[in-house]
Amino acid sequence: GAVVSQHPSRVICKSGTSVKIECRSLDFQATTMFWYRQFPKQSLMLMATSNEGSKATYEQGVEKDKFLINHASLTLSTLTVTSAHPEDSSFYICSARDRDTYQPQHFGDGTRLSIL
Amino acid sequence: QKEVEQDPGPLSVPEGAIVSLNCTYSNSAFQYFMWYRQYSRKGPELLMYTYSSGNKEDGRFTAQVDKSSKYISLFIRDSQPSDSATYLCAMIEDSWGKLQFGAGTQVVVTP
Repeated sequence: GAVVSQHPSRVICKSGTSVKIECRSLDFQATTMFWYRQFPKQSLMLMATSNEGSKATYEQGVEKDKFLINHASLTLSTLTVTSAHPEDSSFYICSARDRDTYQPQHFGDGTRLSIL
Repeated sequence: QKEVEQDPGPLSVPEGAIVSLNCTYSNSAFQYFMWYRQYSRKGPELLMYTYSSGNKEDGRFTAQVDKSSKYISLFIRDSQPSDSATYLCAMIEDSWGKLQFGAGTQVVVTP
């Protein structure tokens, strides 16, 4: 149980384009989903917390207009990197938490984004 | 000072040995403690989850929590080359707080 699916796993695109990443909880309802960014050989850095039906809460230093987050249902959250530039290239990982009881966050397999 | 300290390694052990990992933390409000395993270019996978001091065992994995010393450990018995990965400790104050991660320890199990 507690499977989180993230899609796509790999994206390569040109500078200036927008990229959407999907995060789905497959076998549980996730009131809260999280988006992280991870640089090589570093730990995960929380970007934002996404609650179903409300606006996301962004961490300090994360541009809201650059990283658009939508959490329209209890099983789906999306991260859109708008007008992506090479410095946005990174490994993006989502996680989700079961709504009913406290359970640890379960993570997707990440999206490797490369902006040329 | 970081809230969660974890030696990044790498930690190299021969196959069959016990892998010993640990994290220290400074925030006494942390109540829930987790260990995740992360393979290269994959998301973290939950291995162990505890919320009280003491030991918890699951197969070859044993997690220890010592809240008085603010110290947690993960032991992997009979290590296999497939255990080669980065192991992240993580902790949280309450049900709805943010996870605080350690830096992750890279483990290499050599055949």
